[in-house]
Amino acid sequence: DAGITQSPRHKVTETGTPVTLRCHQTENHRYMYWYRQDPGHGLRLIHYSYGVKDTDKGEVSDGYSVSRSKTEDFLLTLESATSSQTSVYFCAITSGGYNEQFFGPGTRLTVL
Amino acid sequence: AQSVTQLDSQVPVFEEAPVELRCNYSSSVSVYLFWYVQYPNQGLQLLLKYLSGSTLVKGINGFEAEFNKSQTSFHLRKPSVHISDTAEYFCAVSVRTNDYKLSFGAGTTVTVRA
Repeated sequence: DAGITQSPRHKVTETGTPVTLRCHQTENHRYMYWYRQDPGHGLRLIHYSYGVKDTDKGEVSDGYSVSRSKTEDFLLTLESATSSQTSVYFCAITSGGYNEQFFGPGTRLTVL
Repeated sequence: AQSVTQLDSQVPVFEEAPVELRCNYSSSVSVYLFWYVQYPNQGLQLLLKYLSGSTLVKGINGFEAEFNKSQTSFHLRKPSVHISDTAEYFCAVSVRTNDYKLSFGAGTTVTVRA
């Protein structure tokens, strides 16, 4: 158990509504990442954080924003959800260096 | 930027038969390589990783992978699969100078039949 939780685990929402997903870690890792998983695409990086208030974009960042006000929490916000953002979202953490990323259990988001 | 290609999207295999999942990567700098497994409705779990040194890497559940720098490949193998190995497998690459971001392949679904 890498000490990562994601909430909510499942969410159904309507197009145009804001949505915030939360990733919480208990391991005090510096790096945190948000990925989305879609069939045929594997996992694609949305945003990541390399410290409190330090974030950067990944390869599919359009329509998403993130915040990290404390080490243990990394929030992903969809300002105005669209059907193309229906996906499974995974959070991951690592302390960097030679260490692998540990993944949370995922959040299944459906945008109607 | 680095990228990963998994050459097979679906691999059906009979129980107790061997399996090989193919992964090729591209990068202009030295890489770290990983294989992750995702069982149905679960998150990702690390199978094994290559950082440096011996090109043959052994992981959990009897899996192993061989790093081939000249072929830019990191193929995953298991000599004898079980029904419980039915899952999706992802190859991933990261580089030390890139905030350890992972680039994933599209995944290979392994279905083990009795």
